[in-house]
Amino acid sequence: NAGVMQNPRHLVRRRGQEARLRCSPMKGHSHVYWYRQLPEEGLKFMVYLQKENIIDESGMPKERFSAEFPKEGPSILRIQQVVRGDSAAYFCASSPRDMTYEQYFGPGTRLTVT
Amino acid sequence: GENVEQHPSTLSVQEGDSAVIKCTYSDSASNYFPWYKQELGKRPQLIIDIRSNVGEKKDQRIAVTLNKTAKHFSLHITETQPEDSAVYFCAASISNDYKLSFGAGTTVTVRA
Repeated sequence: NAGVMQNPRHLVRRRGQEARLRCSPMKGHSHVYWYRQLPEEGLKFMVYLQKENIIDESGMPKERFSAEFPKEGPSILRIQQVVRGDSAAYFCASSPRDMTYEQYFGPGTRLTVT
Repeated sequence: GENVEQHPSTLSVQEGDSAVIKCTYSDSASNYFPWYKQELGKRPQLIIDIRSNVGEKKDQRIAVTLNKTAKHFSLHITETQPEDSAVYFCAASISNDYKLSFGAGTTVTVRA
């Protein structure tokens, strides 16, 4: 039973480029959450999605960041026109159904903006 | 929103001794409290969790206690081993609000 998958594991982008981060939830899980972890800090909630629906994006920066979870395929976190402050580890987590608390994390994507 | 504070930020213990990490939360509506272990460069792994309808939960060498009145919860690791060295995060979640609010983490080092 494969766990949560994320790719790429490491991503280097120059300032102004776009970053696309992918997350495939665990088999049977239909809820995806994205968190950001800055160096030496805890994880901060960004967005919660179900298939074709954004449920809560209260943690997403208002500009340049977007997320989707299409009917087919992985969830995508997209960062446009990246800046140095976007450098962080981005983790996604999945859970099997609504009102289930347990969230299982993927290995993360470490984004470095040069 | 929920605010979770975690102490200490670093903890060094002798192998075989116990380690205790404490967290406080601000929103009395929080009712789910997981603990995650994160090794360097790895994913956070859920190691134990507790819901607000119980005061204590144990799983082998780890235990979690919850004091709803004081709004704090703690992780206890007994008979520590070198492989327990990692960063530990507490988190809290409010009923009907799935997002986890994390503490800043505790770096635990077990000295052989």
